[in-house]
Amino acid sequence: NAGVTQTPKFQVLKTGQSMTLQCAQDMNHEYMSWYRQDPGMGLRLIHYSVGAGITDQGEVPNGYNVSRSTTEDFPLRLLSAAPSQTSVYFCASSRTGGRENTEAFFGQGTRLTVV
Amino acid sequence: AQKITQTQPGMFVQEKEAVTLDCTYDTSDQSYGLFWYKQPSSGEMIFLIYQGSYDEQNATEGRYSLNFQKARKSANLVISASQLGDSAMYFCAMREGMAGANNLFFGTGTRLTVIP
Repeated sequence: NAGVTQTPKFQVLKTGQSMTLQCAQDMNHEYMSWYRQDPGMGLRLIHYSVGAGITDQGEVPNGYNVSRSTTEDFPLRLLSAAPSQTSVYFCASSRTGGRENTEAFFGQGTRLTVV
Repeated sequence: AQKITQTQPGMFVQEKEAVTLDCTYDTSDQSYGLFWYKQPSSGEMIFLIYQGSYDEQNATEGRYSLNFQKARKSANLVISASQLGDSAMYFCAMREGMAGANNLFFGTGTRLTVIP
């Protein structure tokens, strides 16, 4: 099973360049999200979506854009990369709602360096 | 205020011994979920165990158990019979509310090293 597929795994950008991190899941999950992981700070939520056509901001949304046109795909766009966006990015998906376990399934991560 | 606090940046444990990784949380919601994830040096995030706020019994998954003390707002992970492969970063995370978005708040992690 593919689960959550995230591409690319590594990327180097110059300041001011734009790029899109791709994320796709094949588990028919309604909920998808993007996190960034910086040293000593754990993972922080950038943007999330509770279904196709619905997105919202997380804790650190500035400098990032998202859209959700299908259940499967949730790309993250950096419009004008800055060195402060150097980080490891994770895409995650999960079922929504209820008291039961809604564990997040994570992609393999993208290590992004902005120079 | 931090929603998830992990006060142990690093921990060492002898192989085959048990170890407890601490996690405290802060929420005013009655309904919430607590998760532990493992991140080995390869970087992927691996789900270990889940505890819902309404669960009366502590969660267990193989060698992992969650010591859930609701009144103290703590959700410590206990790993029994440590193995060399347990060396990794461990993150505690919380989901507030039980419907809709499953946004997770993560702690800063604990790096566990298992000594042969």
